[in-house]
Amino acid sequence: AQRVTQPEKLLSVFKGAPVELKCNYSYSGSPELFWYVQYSRQRLQLLLRHISRESIKGFTADLNKGETSFHLKKPFAQEEDSAMYYCALSGYGGGADGLTFGKGTHLIIQP
Amino acid sequence: DTGVSQDPRHKITKRGQNVTFRCDPISEHNRLYWYRQTLGQGPEFLTYFQNEAQLEKSRLLSDRFSAERPKGSFSTLEIQRTEQGDSAMYLCASSLWGYTGNTIYFGEGSWLTVV
Repeated sequence: AQRVTQPEKLLSVFKGAPVELKCNYSYSGSPELFWYVQYSRQRLQLLLRHISRESIKGFTADLNKGETSFHLKKPFAQEEDSAMYYCALSGYGGGADGLTFGKGTHLIIQP
Repeated sequence: DTGVSQDPRHKITKRGQNVTFRCDPISEHNRLYWYRQTLGQGPEFLTYFQNEAQLEKSRLLSDRFSAERPKGSFSTLEIQRTEQGDSAMYLCASSLWGYTGNTIYFGEGSWLTVV
């Protein structure tokens, strides 16, 4: 069975400090990993996916198959980064069997 | 707004009543997904359609739940004989599968409160 674990329910950092949101996964095959973000009163939206290897809003995430992790990082946090962040896994390309989400981490950026 | 739209956004119903939610996906998206989200949890996959065919159902989808996508466009999710445990946010999402990326776009969700 596939599983996504986000160990921190809440993470509070000061503006300008580095941010790392942890995500570990369990999957026997070759997964596709995503980070979704939900800003206050907005819909869930894709932040980035590991196959794109792109940086969105200064965030990056590297898939580490050895440690089965996909941590989200940003070197300098901004107040507008405050949101709920969900790590998600798809067992097949294109989400054929749906995304499996972690429970989410609430990121608060303090001024 | 040409994103995924859901209706109603909020629904309060008495236990035992039936409720139906509608989802209009992004135009021309061939995949449509339903998820459920409860407080403190991430979204949980319920079912998905490829065009009008329902290809997968989660074990979370009890026999009181039924989803349809009759013409491969909009979808409905009906819950019969609602229970208090059905109280949750029901999220619809869509994607254009078969092309590079297959980004899944979510709607704003339909809040259900069963009293």
